Amino acid sequence: AQSVTQPDIHITVSEGASLELRCNYSYGATPYLFWYVQSPGQGLQLLLKYFSGDTLVQGIKGFEAEFKRSQSSFNLRKPSVHWSDAAEYFCAGFGNQGGKLIFGQGTELSVKP
Amino acid sequence: GAGVSQSPSNKVTEKGKDVELRCDPISGHTALYWYRQRLGQGLEFLIYFQGNSAPDKSGLPSDRFSAERTGESVSTLTIQRTQQEDSAVYLCASSLGSNQPQHFGDGTRLSIL
Repeated sequence: AQSVTQPDIHITVSEGASLELRCNYSYGATPYLFWYVQSPGQGLQLLLKYFSGDTLVQGIKGFEAEFKRSQSSFNLRKPSVHWSDAAEYFCAGFGNQGGKLIFGQGTELSVKP
Repeated sequence: GAGVSQSPSNKVTEKGKDVELRCDPISGHTALYWYRQRLGQGLEFLIYFQGNSAPDKSGLPSDRFSAERTGESVSTLTIQRTQQEDSAVYLCASSLGSNQPQHFGDGTRLSIL
């Protein structure tokens, strides 16, 4: 069955430190993958997407993600975290038929001053 | 407005009552989705509309849940005879097509007393 897994429920990093949030997927073919961010009381904002082509994708707010087929991973990275990055992050995907997104359980990011 | 608009933003109702949630998608977006987000959990797919095709209702949890969409505009999600387990944030998203990035509204927080 198609699935998206985020192994880390909660991560705390210091401001200015680098960040990597993990995401693993299970799809038969190459999926379309996304990272979204959700601040408290808000909807989801799209950070970046992978459809095909270059496996390193750049997004908004200084985020990037790398698609690694061999590891079935699509990890989100940022070289230097800001306090305003504290939020819930969701990895999601759908198959080549499109339609409904399958979401990971989310990773809550806390940023220490 | 430029984004997906949902109303009401908050709804408190008594168990057994019917509720209706509204979603205004981004203009020109042919696809519209409803998701449910229970406290501390990821997003569950509920229903998906694509143009004039029959909707994908595979995520609706029971026959108390239904949704309609008029053409490529407003959608309403109706929950009949609400139960306490229906308490959640209901998120609507729209996209240009079924395999395009989905853009989310801020959600309706539903509380069943």
